Amino acid sequence: DAGVTQSPTHLIKTRGQQVTLRCSPKSGHDTVSWYQQALGQGPQFIFQYYEEEERQRGNFPDRFSGHQFPNYSSELNVNALLLGDSALYLCASSLTPGYETQYFGPGTRLLVL
Amino acid sequence: DQQVKQNSPSLSVQEGRISILNCDYTNSMFDYFLWYKKYPAEGPTFLISISSIKDKNEDGRFTVFLNKSAKHLSLHIVPSQPGDSAVYFCAASGGVDSNYQLIWGAGTKLIIKP
Repeated sequence: DAGVTQSPTHLIKTRGQQVTLRCSPKSGHDTVSWYQQALGQGPQFIFQYYEEEERQRGNFPDRFSGHQFPNYSSELNVNALLLGDSALYLCASSLTPGYETQYFGPGTRLLVL
Repeated sequence: DQQVKQNSPSLSVQEGRISILNCDYTNSMFDYFLWYKKYPAEGPTFLISISSIKDKNEDGRFTVFLNKSAKHLSLHIVPSQPGDSAVYFCAASGGVDSNYQLIWGAGTKLIIKP
């Protein structure tokens, strides 16, 4: 049973560029959440996708957008990258939107220069 | 405004002894709490949770205690093993009123000494 997978594992971009991160949820899960984890901090909720729609959103600007596909996989897009976007981006899946226990992927480490 | 606080950035414990990790919260609407463990280069792994209707939940070597009046929870690991060395995160949810969104603490790095 495959767990949550994310790609790529590492990424280096320059300011102003755009990036797309990908996530495949755990088998049987239909809800995907994205988090940003800065160094020395806990994960910060970006948004959650369910039934191919954004259901919830944290306190992140519109530069952060996402998508969920019919197979429940998801993408996180960040436009006009800033230095402060450098972080570990975590994807988590759960059985339903109302199920607090989430299963995390290994994350994508993004460095913006 | 940090709604979930883990005030100890790190904790060092002798192998075989008890590890106690603490977490405080400010939002009285939180009704579900979770602990996650994170190894380097891996995502957080769910460890144990507790609902606000309980004051204790146990799973093997791991026990979580909740003191609602003090808005405090703790994770006890007995006995501590070298493989327990990791960063531990406390997370809280306000249930349906907050769309089940998890609010996370900054984590405590646990080091188990042989």
